[in-house]
Amino acid sequence: DAGVIQSPRHEVTEMGQEVTLRCKPISGHNSLFWYRQTMMRGLELLIYFNNNVPIDDSGMPEDRFSAKMPNASFSTLKIQPSEPRDSAVYFCASSFPGQGVTEAFFGQGTRLTVV
Amino acid sequence: AQSVTQLDSQVPVFEEAPVELRCNYSSSVSVYLFWYVQYPNQGLQLLLKYLSGSTLVKGINGFEAEFNKSQTSFHLRKPSVHISDTAEYFCAVSGKSGGSQGNLIFGKGTKLSVKP
Repeated sequence: DAGVIQSPRHEVTEMGQEVTLRCKPISGHNSLFWYRQTMMRGLELLIYFNNNVPIDDSGMPEDRFSAKMPNASFSTLKIQPSEPRDSAVYFCASSFPGQGVTEAFFGQGTRLTVV
Repeated sequence: AQSVTQLDSQVPVFEEAPVELRCNYSSSVSVYLFWYVQYPNQGLQLLLKYLSGSTLVKGINGFEAEFNKSQTSFHLRKPSVHISDTAEYFCAVSGKSGGSQGNLIFGKGTKLSVKP
C-alpha cells in the first residue's frame, strides 16, 4: 500500500491567491482527517470526514477554508483567499474505525508558505 | 470533548539514558490513547496505542507506555535512548463512543533531543 498521498509537498503562493491541497487516503479507509501544524499552535484538527460526509468542521479557522470529499479516494482542502498566517504544514490522515477507532495513518504533509 | 496535555515541550537527554515523556488527558467518555513520533520533515508514525486490556503497552523501537486511569495519564518511556530517537513525540486521545469517536485530538508535542 502506498499510504496516504498528499500533493503538493511544498507550495509557495502570494497572499490573496487560492490554494488547493489534495489528499488520497489509504484504500478501504473510511475516515479522513485534515490537520494543520504550526510552531505556535501545534497540531490542530481542522475537519474530519466519515464515509465522505463531514462530521466535525469546528476546527476550520475561517470561511476562507473549505474541504470536500467527493468520493472515498480523494479529498481537497481549499484556502481562498490565502493569507500569510495560513503558512503551516497541512497533514491529511485516514483510518478505518471498523470496530472502534484504530490509529490514523498520516501523509507526508504539504508545507504551505504564503508570502 | 477531550484534551491532551504534554507537560514538557522539550526534553534533552544523553544517549543510553532512560527517558519519560509525560502525557495527561481529560475526557468525559472512555478513551483510546496513542503515541505518535514525527521525524524532521516527515508525517506522524504510530509508536503505540492503548485500546483496552493490559495497561502496559509496548510499541516499536523499544518504547512502552502505561495507562493510568486514576491519574488520567499515559506516559511514554524508554529505558535507553539512541541518537536516532531524536524527534518530536505526540500523545493523542480519541473518544470510544458518540460524536467523539474517530476524532483524534493531539497534545502540543514534546521534542526529544538525544545528545552523544
